[in-house]
Amino acid sequence: DTAVSQTPKYLVTQMGNDKSIKCEQNLGHDTMYWYKQDSKKFLKIMFSYNNKELIINETVPNRFSPKSPDKAHLNLHINSLELGDSAVYFCASSQRKQGAETQYFGPGTRLLVL
Amino acid sequence: KQEVTQIPAALSVPEGENLVLNCSFTDSAIYNLQWFRQDPGKGLTSLLLIQSSQREQTSGRLNASLDKSSGRSTLYIAASQPGDSATYLCAVRRYNTDKLIFGTGTRLQVFP
Repeated sequence: DTAVSQTPKYLVTQMGNDKSIKCEQNLGHDTMYWYKQDSKKFLKIMFSYNNKELIINETVPNRFSPKSPDKAHLNLHINSLELGDSAVYFCASSQRKQGAETQYFGPGTRLLVL
Repeated sequence: KQEVTQIPAALSVPEGENLVLNCSFTDSAIYNLQWFRQDPGKGLTSLLLIQSSQREQTSGRLNASLDKSSGRSTLYIAASQPGDSATYLCAVRRYNTDKLIFGTGTRLQVFP
């Protein structure tokens, strides 16, 4: 049983296109995240949603728009893709509670913009 | 601004050695610190989470310590095995935020 799943696993597309990445978690968590891992393997948070409400919005171009239809899903839509958007995008989830809020990560979506 | 650094960036050791991976952070006002493992082409797996009030956590051959005042954490791996080969990442979380700030990672290779 996959806890945090992402689709697609690989995405190759042309500059200027619009694409979406989907994330689903079956852990019953109330908080979900999108991270970007660049070519140097540095991992940085982009967005976070808690109970469908945006709570973290880092300095990310507004071409990136997250959408959370329900607590178990957090999708990432990217408009007008650029070469610099090529990276691995990770979805994660956690449950807010006092104490150990371990984040669980999905397998990643490898995006290549040509 | 919180910055997280990991040393060494890469490490290659023979099987059986005991290892210490280091993580340092510039702002000691952290809520917790997590160690993750990332295998090539895969996602992250949480290994250990230490709350700011704790000094260490253990899981099997792994032991993580935290010295908040000096801004340091270490991950100790006992009797390393080839299956331990991966990139190890530490991440800190501040109070009143869900945001994790990740370190630069240590790429570990354990050879037979």
